[in-house]
Amino acid sequence: EAGVTQFPSHSVIEKGQTVTLRCDPISGHDNLYWYRRVMGKEIKFLLHFVKESKQDESGMPNNRFLAERTGGTYSTLKVQPAELEDSGVYFCASSPITSGRGTGELFFGEGSRLTVL
Amino acid sequence: QKEVEQDPGPLSVPEGAIVSLNCTYSNSAFQYFMWYRQYSRKGPELLMYTYSSGNKEDGRFTAQVDKSSKYISLFIRDSQPSDSATYLCAMSGSGANNLFFGTGTRLTVIP
Repeated sequence: EAGVTQFPSHSVIEKGQTVTLRCDPISGHDNLYWYRRVMGKEIKFLLHFVKESKQDESGMPNNRFLAERTGGTYSTLKVQPAELEDSGVYFCASSPITSGRGTGELFFGEGSRLTVL
Repeated sequence: QKEVEQDPGPLSVPEGAIVSLNCTYSNSAFQYFMWYRQYSRKGPELLMYTYSSGNKEDGRFTAQVDKSSKYISLFIRDSQPSDSATYLCAMSGSGANNLFFGTGTRLTVIP
């Protein structure tokens, strides 16, 4: 069974440009999460989809970030325009539906490293 | 104040040693406690998952949760070079959408 896949693995862009990160969750997982790790800091929650609906986007830093999940399958995270402080590793995770057990086990992808120059 | 505090290390131990990794937290609503292992350039991989206080053992790994002290631990017995990785604690509340992570402790087991 394929795990969570993310693309690209590394992206280098200049300040002001746009980048789109893609995540393909494990097949059948309705929950999809985006997390981010900025250098030297802890991994932080960005948002949570249940199927195609945004369940919680309280961690999105500002309106330069836009996440979508088309048809409840793959998800994209667009940063437009990118700023220097957006550099970091963006992780996607997925999990099956849980019932009152917190997040349950999250399966993480390898991350997309974003460098903004 | 951070939700979760974790000593970043780095921690170096000889092969066969017992390793103790710890996290403290401030939010008493946390009920689910996890330890993730992350190898270089890879995503976090769930190692241990516990609910509320108590101990859980899985092979060479033991997770302990003390909710009264807001303190969790991961013990690794007979550590192996293949255990060299960054260990991340994470936790969430009941019905929560998100995990709160520690910064991770980088462990190196020297053959």
